[in-house]
Amino acid sequence: DTEVTQTPKHLVMGMTNKKSLKCEQHMGHRAMYWYKQKAKKPPELMFVYSYEKLSINESVPSRFSPECPNSSLLNLHLHALQPEDSALYLCASSQDPGTVSRQFGPGTRLTVL
Amino acid sequence: AQSVTQLGSHVSVSEGALVLLRCNYSSSVPPYLFWYVQYPNQGLQLLLKYTTGATLVKGINGFEAEFKKSETSFHLTKPSAHMSDAAEYFCAVTPESNQFYFGTGTSLTVIP
Repeated sequence: DTEVTQTPKHLVMGMTNKKSLKCEQHMGHRAMYWYKQKAKKPPELMFVYSYEKLSINESVPSRFSPECPNSSLLNLHLHALQPEDSALYLCASSQDPGTVSRQFGPGTRLTVL
Repeated sequence: AQSVTQLGSHVSVSEGALVLLRCNYSSSVPPYLFWYVQYPNQGLQLLLKYTTGATLVKGINGFEAEFKKSETSFHLTKPSAHMSDAAEYFCAVTPESNQFYFGTGTSLTVIP
């Protein structure tokens, strides 16, 4: 398996909802990342997990809560989001934190009403 | 501080014509360089990368890029554009710290 998979592909949620995004890879990669991408803009780094521990949080609001249950899975829990949080959320992984190449998943298109 | 500049947020070429997408970077040390492509409503796909060695790098779908240290550039080219090349292209740079810096992207339109 040489892919990063993300579910769901699309998500629509209200501002009071709680939802989660899921990312999975079975390449044995030990670093995983969450990015947020607005339309026609480059991805912006949100979080980095290194060996299942949170190593970087790019000053992301607490309404976004990452979780890494094991080395293959990365979740992003969402609560009390704002309409401006609507974006494409991309997961990526790399062999380890020192490996520069990152493999991206297809993303989850999130719409907050 | 690192920065990546992609000249031209929109580029249009005719089908069969040369594709040239420009990327310049600022870095105090030779970085690693990447080009990613993003098709509509999809994630990022790695086209090619330069780490060390040969400065002319060949990637997927007929694309190639040349690392020119003296010009701090890593322009992406393809000899003959195809309709399926229409997409958003991002140049990215990572210095030794392993932080990824993306350019602002170039939207490529291919005219039939």
